[in-house]
Amino acid sequence: GESVGLHLPTLSVQEGDNSIINCAYSNSASDYFIWYKQESGKGPQFIIDIRSNMDKRQGQRVTVLLNKTVKHLSLQIAATQPGDSAVYFCAEKERGGSYIPTFGRGTSLIVHP
Amino acid sequence: EAGVTQFPSHSVIEKGQTVTLRCDPISGHDNLYWYRRVMGKEIKFLLHFVKESKQDESGMPNNRFLAERTGGTYSTLKVQPAELEDSGVYFCASSASDRGNFFYNEQFFGPGTRLTVL
Repeated sequence: GESVGLHLPTLSVQEGDNSIINCAYSNSASDYFIWYKQESGKGPQFIIDIRSNMDKRQGQRVTVLLNKTVKHLSLQIAATQPGDSAVYFCAEKERGGSYIPTFGRGTSLIVHP
Repeated sequence: EAGVTQFPSHSVIEKGQTVTLRCDPISGHDNLYWYRRVMGKEIKFLLHFVKESKQDESGMPNNRFLAERTGGTYSTLKVQPAELEDSGVYFCASSASDRGNFFYNEQFFGPGTRLTVL
């Protein structure tokens, strides 16, 4: 079946740098996308979402970009901090489908002080 | 307000044994979900309860897995007998009743139970 995947399993950055985590999806029926952050010992936590009728959405220090042409999603974290170290999952939901998201494999972000 | 809690946090059992995982959702949340993440892979949906009823159990891998939510409060997930491939982290999530958000009803995740089958 169609799936959500990630380009890189691990990303290492220096504190203060900007981080970009990428995600590719293949389900053309996806109309809603979510980024989750999972810190060690905790469950996934909702960070930001974006609908398919948008190509950019900004939150506090985070920006999600959606390119429907190439089915690509990215999460940008500005001025990365050690507290941003976590596994980040993208997830998608199919148009008209249930509320249950389909998750990608996850990218581990390591922030070096 | 307490979040979603899961017990135990870790469980190590031998192949063939039985394990029961417990999830306590956020108080008042009608929706309860179980997910599993096998090492290094994606988080996969197992099933969804609405109150005490199974709304969707399409993700349950086989009949060795049994989920219950008696009374519509906490839920248990039993694996019997456990196999090596059942190892992973089992997450529970809960969400409030459908409020008409067409796109998403935010799910709040528990910390997970790490299951190791030897």
